[in-house]
Amino acid sequence: GQQVMQIPQYQHVQEGEDFTTYCNSSTTLSNIQWYKQRPGGHPVFLIQLVKSGEVKKQKRLTFQFGEAKKNSSLHITATQTTDVGTYFCAGPEKGSSNTGKLIFGQGTTLQVKP
Amino acid sequence: DSGVTQTPKHLITATGQRVTLRCSPRSGDLSVYWYQQSLDQGLQFLIHYYNGEERAKGNILERFSAQQFPDLHSELNLSSLELGDSALYFCASSVALRGSYGYTFGSGTRLTVV
Repeated sequence: GQQVMQIPQYQHVQEGEDFTTYCNSSTTLSNIQWYKQRPGGHPVFLIQLVKSGEVKKQKRLTFQFGEAKKNSSLHITATQTTDVGTYFCAGPEKGSSNTGKLIFGQGTTLQVKP
Repeated sequence: DSGVTQTPKHLITATGQRVTLRCSPRSGDLSVYWYQQSLDQGLQFLIHYYNGEERAKGNILERFSAQQFPDLHSELNLSSLELGDSALYFCASSVALRGSYGYTFGSGTRLTVV
């Protein structure tokens, strides 16, 4: 079945270092969404990318959607301890026009050392 | 507060028992999704309801069932519980059928089966 894969699974960085997580889908996606889940919390929607090659920025976070619409990345510049959490990418199930079911990646857990 | 309400927050029950998890979507949202999150797994899709109708089903066990009521709240019923059913169960809602513009997640119900 359709799969969404993320690497790395875990990343430990020193505060101030940059961080990138990569997301790859087995199929082309109509859009890709990113979520952040803080420890002990629930996933929170960050952004949606729709267009091929799209790049969007939110302060220190940069999101990119690949040209083939099968991969995406999230880059955080100069990490802060508030960035700690698990970042998930998610894409709609291909061919499902009657549902908004999302397939989530396994997530990348970011730890930031102060 | 995300606007999606899940109750109870915690549930401890014995194997073989039956429990009901409840979700009230954000005001105006017609779609309700249920996801299971285990320690070693990401977010696994269970089921999607839109305006009272089932729209998609994941690899949901036969022991699990759900419904969405006319007031749009949803319940997830888990029966003949096994130790492996211990997990975080999240409900999410979205305004549209297709989930565009992202999901809003509730704070989850942590189920522990002993």
